Amino acid sequence: AQSVAQPEDQVNVAEGNPLTVKCTYSVSGNPYLFWYVQYPNRGLQFLLKYITGDNLVKGSYGFEAEFNKSQTSFHLKKPSALVSDSALYFCAVSGLTSGNTPLVFGKGTRLSVIA
Amino acid sequence: GAGVSQTPSNKVTEKGKYVELRCDPISGHTALYWYRQSLGQGPEFLIYFQGTGAADDSGLPNDRFFAVRPEGSVSTLKIQRTERGDSAVYLCASSWGQGTDTQYFGPGTRLTVL
Repeated sequence: AQSVAQPEDQVNVAEGNPLTVKCTYSVSGNPYLFWYVQYPNRGLQFLLKYITGDNLVKGSYGFEAEFNKSQTSFHLKKPSALVSDSALYFCAVSGLTSGNTPLVFGKGTRLSVIA
Repeated sequence: GAGVSQTPSNKVTEKGKYVELRCDPISGHTALYWYRQSLGQGPEFLIYFQGTGAADDSGLPNDRFFAVRPEGSVSTLKIQRTERGDSAVYLCASSWGQGTDTQYFGPGTRLTVL
């Protein structure tokens, strides 16, 4: 069965500093990996995804993520954090092991960017 | 274009009552998903439609939960004999239907069972 782990409940970073939000996964077969962001009282907004190809994926709002097969990780990164990046971030995987496509989400990491 | 919409945005009901939650997917999307998000948790899969049929309902917690999508567009999640433990945010998402396709989420319905 697929699973996702986000080892940090909370990440604090100063504005202008680089940020990393960690994600590791477990899946049979090829992983399809996604990052979503959730602002208060809002639904999830898609940031980026890895399907195949280049291990470095670029997404919305200056975010990027690096797929590392040997470490089964898909960490989210941004070179310079903004206060407006403060939100709840979810990593998700779709492994297609049973032919369907629902996502399995991690528990989420709350990012706080301090001015 | 219009995104996924969900109604109502908030629903308060009493234990034992019946509720219906509605989802309008993005036009043309064949796949529709329901997830449930409890406080402090990530979304958990409930049911997935491909067209009109439920392709996977393995996430439904029990037989009090049921969902339909009769014309392959709008979907309704139905909960009978609600319990306090059903309180959560119910999220709907839609996509073009393949596993690599991005799922786009609606704003959710916050259900509170008193």
